[in-house]
Amino acid sequence: DQQVKQNSPSLSVQEGRISILNCDYTNSMFDYFLWYKKYPAEGPTFLISISSIKDKNEDGRFTVFLNKSAKHLSLHIVPSQPGDSAVYFCAAILNAGGTSYGKLTFGQGTILTVHP
Amino acid sequence: DAGVIQSPRHEVTEMGQEVTLRCKPISGHDYLFWYRQTMMRGLELLIYFNNNVPIDDSGMPEDRFSAKMPNASFSTLKIQPSEPRDSAVYFCASSYGMGVGELFFGEGSRLTVL
Repeated sequence: DQQVKQNSPSLSVQEGRISILNCDYTNSMFDYFLWYKKYPAEGPTFLISISSIKDKNEDGRFTVFLNKSAKHLSLHIVPSQPGDSAVYFCAAILNAGGTSYGKLTFGQGTILTVHP
Repeated sequence: DAGVIQSPRHEVTEMGQEVTLRCKPISGHDYLFWYRQTMMRGLELLIYFNNNVPIDDSGMPEDRFSAKMPNASFSTLKIQPSEPRDSAVYFCASSYGMGVGELFFGEGSRLTVL
């Protein structure tokens, strides 16, 4: 039972254009969402997060949008750079304010390739 | 600053053997997590500790898996006996309690059980 889904295994984008990575979830009780980036042979690194009480959070070139009614979140990267090429995981937390704050449920990941 | 350190980076073993994976969290972090990544199931949480105490081990697949954290700077994940289906990349992560979900991952230990 995959509660967090990234339906696009891969995405290819030209340098300078926008990258949009999508994520859907099924559990309406998730109250915190995150994006992680992973390079080959490295561990995932935290990128950006959003609480369920917000619908947008921005950090430089990265913006995460949350649509709770649709149970959908997306990560926008503008402009995309070749160094952004990596696997991107979305993740969700149930009861983030409680003891399970680090218990992340991950999606399967999307491989982003940014071409020069 | 030293990040989360895991060893070994690669381990190849035969079915039935005992495997021990090691993790040194970032100094000062009070949470430690063990995650496993497989093609079939993606990244999944196995167990996590707070101040060296196991909080949630509901993700541990079966009794063959055990984890310990004898002190704030060291944790082990043991599989005994190992099976081919345990082949995966095992990640250790740590965090300080204030950052919700912001975990610092090690580089992972790639386990292959033949």
